[in-house]
Amino acid sequence: DAGVIQSPRHEVTEMGQEVTLRCKPISGHDYLFWYRQTMMRGLELLIYFNNNVPIDDSGMPEDRFSAKMPNASFSTLKIQPSEPRDSAVYFCASSHRDTGTDTQYFGPGTRLTVL
Amino acid sequence: SQKIEQNSEALNIQEGKTATLTCNYTNYSPAYLQWYRQDPGRGPVFLLLIRENEKEKRKERLKVTFDTTLKQSLFHITASQPADSATYLCALNTGGFKTIFGAGTRLFVKA
Repeated sequence: DAGVIQSPRHEVTEMGQEVTLRCKPISGHDYLFWYRQTMMRGLELLIYFNNNVPIDDSGMPEDRFSAKMPNASFSTLKIQPSEPRDSAVYFCASSHRDTGTDTQYFGPGTRLTVL
Repeated sequence: SQKIEQNSEALNIQEGKTATLTCNYTNYSPAYLQWYRQDPGRGPVFLLLIRENEKEKRKERLKVTFDTTLKQSLFHITASQPADSATYLCALNTGGFKTIFGAGTRLFVKA
């Protein structure tokens, strides 16, 4: 298996622009998570899906952030408009509920820089 | 609110020694706790999971303990190697499939 795939790996944009991050989870996994990591705040859960349905989006910082999962093999995290404080590494992770635990498999991340 | 604390300072040890990392938490009773490893520029990688009814779990040179009374988990790497140098993250299940991560402890193993 190729693991969790994220694109792009690096994104540099200007304040006010729309940013879309993409994720392909591991085939067969029914949970998908979006995280943001910064030096100051560490790894924060933004939102997670089960069977393509958003379950908990309480970590989404504000209305500028939105996430979708149109099918089992694709998810997007969108920031519109972007701000410099959104600069961080964004990780996507997936897991499968076969043991009743949420051991997660992370992608390589997207490093976002908003100028 | 739920809080996880890991050693904020980096841990420096000599090759061959045992590294011990600490994870303390408050205001929650997790059903299980996980440890992940993260290398620079990469995503976290799962290492071990320990459930609330387990005191200890081992995997090769790794050992995790879980004391629900003290609300603490210890992560040990025996016979440490320079390749073990990385950041180690503690993660708590907080209900359903929601997990919160600690800030991580950086480990440096010197040859």
